[in-house]
Amino acid sequence: DAGVIQSPRHEVTEMGQEVTLRCKPISGHDYLFWYRQTMMRGLELLIYFNNNVPIDDSGMPEDRFSAKMPNASFSTLKIQPSEPRDSAVYFCASSLAGGPDNEQFFGPGTRLTVL
Amino acid sequence: RKEVEQDPGPFNVPEGATVAFNCTYSNSASQSFFWYRQDCRKEPKLLMSVYSSGNEDGRFTAQLNRASQYISLLIRDSKLSDSATYLCVVNRASKIIFGSGTRLSIRP
Repeated sequence: DAGVIQSPRHEVTEMGQEVTLRCKPISGHDYLFWYRQTMMRGLELLIYFNNNVPIDDSGMPEDRFSAKMPNASFSTLKIQPSEPRDSAVYFCASSLAGGPDNEQFFGPGTRLTVL
Repeated sequence: RKEVEQDPGPFNVPEGATVAFNCTYSNSASQSFFWYRQDCRKEPKLLMSVYSSGNEDGRFTAQLNRASQYISLLIRDSKLSDSATYLCVVNRASKIIFGSGTRLSIRP
């Protein structure tokens, strides 16, 4: 069975450019989560969706970040404009009904470098 | 002060040893608790949930102490393959908070 799929796996861009990260959750999972991980701040929840609806976006750092889930099998996290401090590994995860109280399955992550 | 805190380690122990580490949380309304394992440059994976009565899975034992607001993970007869970072997760309503992780290194 395919797990959570993320693309691209690595992204290098220059400050000011738009970055779009993509995620395909495990089929049948109702919840989708976006995380950011850095050495300084650890793993931080940015936003999560239940049945394609954003439930909690309090972790989104600022207006430069936006996330969408147009259907049950696809989500995007967009950063516009990107800044060097956005450099991090971005993980997408999904879970069955029960969301935070159920096991989350993580994708392999997108390693973003903003120069 | 962070809402969820872990000793970053690293814990460096010999193969076969028993090792334990804690994770403290500050909000008494926290509802559910987990331990995840993350290997270097990989994604986190669930190790085990933590139940109020404590639970065991093979060499791993997880405990919850609500009065003192911490969870613990005990690893017995440690293996080289246990080397990883262990992340505690505390959920409160819709909030999901990961600890910064404890690095464990098992030496031959």
